[in-house]
Amino acid sequence: GAVVSQHPSRVICKSGTSVKIECRSLDFQATTMFWYRQFPKQSLMLMATSNEGSKATYEQGVEKDKFLINHASLTLSTLTVTSAHPEDSSFYICSAAPRQRGSNEQFFGPGTRLTVL
Amino acid sequence: GESVGLHLPTLSVQEGDNSIINCAYSNSASDYFIWYKQESGKGPQFIIDIRSNMDKRQGQRVTVLLNKTVKHLSLQIAATQPGDSAVYFCAEWFSSASKIIFGSGTRLSIRP
Repeated sequence: GAVVSQHPSRVICKSGTSVKIECRSLDFQATTMFWYRQFPKQSLMLMATSNEGSKATYEQGVEKDKFLINHASLTLSTLTVTSAHPEDSSFYICSAAPRQRGSNEQFFGPGTRLTVL
Repeated sequence: GESVGLHLPTLSVQEGDNSIINCAYSNSASDYFIWYKQESGKGPQFIIDIRSNMDKRQGQRVTVLLNKTVKHLSLQIAATQPGDSAVYFCAEWFSSASKIIFGSGTRLSIRP
């Protein structure tokens, strides 16, 4: 149980286009999902916290108009990188916190590799 | 601000030996400390956590030690195996904000 999937696993796009990444909790409901970005040989950096049915909370320095987050259901959150540029190339990872448990449990997706040409 | 960091960026260990991965943190407000394992091209995998009011917790082949006096956390892996090769991150969980902050990571490589 507690599986989180991401789609696509890998995407290559041209500069200036927008890319949508999906994060799904497959066998549990998640009131909260998190989006992280990871550059090569670096740690995961939290970008934003996504709560079902409400606006996302962005970390300092993360542009909310560039990284659009939608959490329309208890099993799906999407991250849209708008007008992507080469510096947005990174590994994007989501995690989901189960609805029923009030602990620190988060289950991570396999990540999405974004390459902007 | 919040900061979780590691002493060593890489660690090479003989197969069968014990591994010790260290982590220093600066924020004392966390409720849990967590260790994650990340293999190349994959998302982090939970290994073990420890509540901030504890100083030791054991799992299967792994032990986490927490020294709040010096703000130091370590992960010990017993009888290291080739499958343990990965990057290991320590992280803090803050219940007030319900978010996890990751440290900088240590790459563990296993010598045959």
